[in-house]
Amino acid sequence: LAKTTQPISMDSYEGQEVNITCSHNNIATNDYITWYQQFPSQGPRFIIQGYKTKVTNEVASLFIPADRKSSTLSLPRVSLSDTAVYYCLVGDPLAGANNLFFGTGTRLTVIP
Amino acid sequence: SAVISQKPSRDICQRGTSLTIQCQVDSQVTMMFWYRQQPGQSLTLIATANQGSEATYESGFVIDKFPISRPNLTFSTLTVSNMSPEDSSIYLCSVEARMGYNEQFFGPGTRLTVL
Repeated sequence: LAKTTQPISMDSYEGQEVNITCSHNNIATNDYITWYQQFPSQGPRFIIQGYKTKVTNEVASLFIPADRKSSTLSLPRVSLSDTAVYYCLVGDPLAGANNLFFGTGTRLTVIP
Repeated sequence: SAVISQKPSRDICQRGTSLTIQCQVDSQVTMMFWYRQQPGQSLTLIATANQGSEATYESGFVIDKFPISRPNLTFSTLTVSNMSPEDSSIYLCSVEARMGYNEQFFGPGTRLTVL
């Protein structure tokens, strides 16, 4: 399993852009990088997935450098409702959930 | 997207008893997954449940402790057997959202407290 390392926690003020970086030094060729968001008392929710360069959707952007050993989740203009735990996972999408590893996650707190 | 429900949402159980958690999906899915999330911790995959075959367990989890049923393509159960306080956790089921993505839909979880 490809392991990931992310900051345990981050604080941000409302309206700011938040960047959460994840390290995955042993990422394999077939692995994609996926981010999930989890609110208290809920199951995780898929945010975004990418392989290389940049991916953007209506919620976030994902930046992946050429060596793919790290990735950065960017949340534009966060609000209080973005307070959650964010998990970075790497794995082969065709290999099933048993090749995914939920690390410690980053607890983001958005401050008014 | 798939809508997943779990029953019960929470329970408090006595040591040595067993609890069966139900997971219902509103569409047919091939694989269902069971996770455990201990308080303040991350998620750990317990097993993968395919319809019509025995579940595949991850390292550290055994069928005698966590028997799983998968009678059809929309339903699965996880039993936590002979419980101890160390089994106090949130148990979540999930399904794959789409091929080619590491995207899963998760249920709301079952919060289990063992006294």
